[in-house]
Amino acid sequence: DTEVTQTPKHLVMGMTNKKSLKCEQHMGHRAMYWYKQKAKKPPELMFVYSYEKLSINESVPSRFSPECPNSSLLNLHLHALQPEDSALYLCASSRDSILARSYEQYFGPGTRLTVT
Amino acid sequence: AQSVAQPEDQVNVAEGNPLTVKCTYSVSGNPYLFWYVQYPNRGLQFLLKYITGDNLVKGSYGFEAEFNKSQTSFHLKKPSALVSDSALYFCAVRDPQGGGNKLTFGTGTQLKVEL
Repeated sequence: DTEVTQTPKHLVMGMTNKKSLKCEQHMGHRAMYWYKQKAKKPPELMFVYSYEKLSINESVPSRFSPECPNSSLLNLHLHALQPEDSALYLCASSRDSILARSYEQYFGPGTRLTVT
Repeated sequence: AQSVAQPEDQVNVAEGNPLTVKCTYSVSGNPYLFWYVQYPNRGLQFLLKYITGDNLVKGSYGFEAEFNKSQTSFHLKKPSALVSDSALYFCAVRDPQGGGNKLTFGTGTQLKVEL
C-alpha cells in the first residue's frame, strides 16, 4: 500500500475560522511533509516531521500550525488565514533513516483550500 | 545550495512519437534526482529516481531518464507518447551532502500529447 490520504478534499473557510487538514499514511514512513502548491507551480515545502518531531519549518507564518500526533498522522491547523493562502495543500511521506535522502516521497491527493 | 531547472514551460508531441522533458541540476556533490508527474487536481506521483549506478533509469508507465554528469542533466524520455501522458512533470533534486531532508523542485513542464 503506497497510499497517502488527505481530508477534506475541499475546504472553504473565512478569515476568522479555525480548521484543520488531516493526512494519514500506513506505509511505516517516519518522515512526513506539508507542501503548499499554487496552480501550475511547483510545491513549496512548509514543514517536515522526522520521527514525530518537527525538523524543518520553512519560515511559515504562525497562522499555520502543524501537529504530528503519531507516526501515521499529520495535521495542519489553520487559523486567521488570508485569501492569498488559498492553494492546494499536499501531504507527503517517505522513509527516514541515514539514507533518507535517497528515498522518494509519496504524495496525497491534496486539500483544495479557498479562503474567503 | 541545490537547484534544478526545467527550461521548457510546455512540450507538445504527437501521440506515438518519442518525448523528452528536459531537466538540469546544480548541487555541490553527487545528486539524488527524481521525476514526478501531476495530473489535474491530483497530488504528485513518483515516476523514477537516480541515486547511483546505471545512468539509464527506468520507471513507471514506460518512462525512463538518463543521468548525464558532464552535462548535469537528467532528461525524462518515453519512446512512444500517449495522450494519457498529458500532465505536469516536475524534476527534483536532493543534495545527499547537505540541504537537509529537503527536495528542491523545478518549475514544471506541461506535456501535451495530441492525436
